[in-house]
Amino acid sequence: EVQLVESGGGLVKPGGSLRLSCAASGFTFSSYTMNWVRQAPGKGLEWVSSISSSTSYIYYADSVKGRFTISKDTARNSVYLQMNSLSAEDTAVYYCARDPNTSGWSDDTFDIWGQGTMVTVSS
Amino acid sequence: DIQMTQSPSSLSASVGDRVTITCRASQSISSYLNWYHQKPGKAPKLLIYAASSLQSGVPSRFSGSGSGTDFTLTISNLQPEDFATYYCQQSYSTPVTFGGGTKVEIK
Repeated sequence: EVQLVESGGGLVKPGGSLRLSCAASGFTFSSYTMNWVRQAPGKGLEWVSSISSSTSYIYYADSVKGRFTISKDTARNSVYLQMNSLSAEDTAVYYCARDPNTSGWSDDTFDIWGQGTMVTVSS
Repeated sequence: DIQMTQSPSSLSASVGDRVTITCRASQSISSYLNWYHQKPGKAPKLLIYAASSLQSGVPSRFSGSGSGTDFTLTISNLQPEDFATYYCQQSYSTPVTFGGGTKVEIK
């Protein structure tokens, strides 16, 4: 079964850090661009970051640039999101999502999603 | 960034109804438009990609159309499991952006 499972969310104080993980299974992880998408409570969806299959292309939303770092470990079939200098505006459910294109390029489409992990930034 | 505007923001419909949701891009995005739906407490699910292509496993009552700046998602014969929030998303340029969502509720 194709699956993405996020972990690492929790309660963190403003200015703090958190590292999210997303474990992939059921597909050839190394062939896909992976993404993080977040959703603040009661709000819509916001793309956060993407990393290409080769890790050659990494992109961030302006709202997190300079504070968040995406990475992947192909041996562990996992993608990570290191989040620093967190603020209340970062409070959201964070989803890991797969791009379906395996050619090395990205379709910027999200065909498989994890169940999400909640990040709450509060003092 | 490309702004995506959905309308309506919510609607009430009955089982068996035909429902249409529109999405407008702030600039032309060709056919780089995807549709998702999301049920409460669940992850979004891809329904339509490239404006009109049905994702594998998605029922044929879902259809998409449009190109350029104006797009439509149509659900024919609305089923109980279709009550959810629907989002459009442009995949034309980074950063990808989503519409604000359309909540489809039971009348």
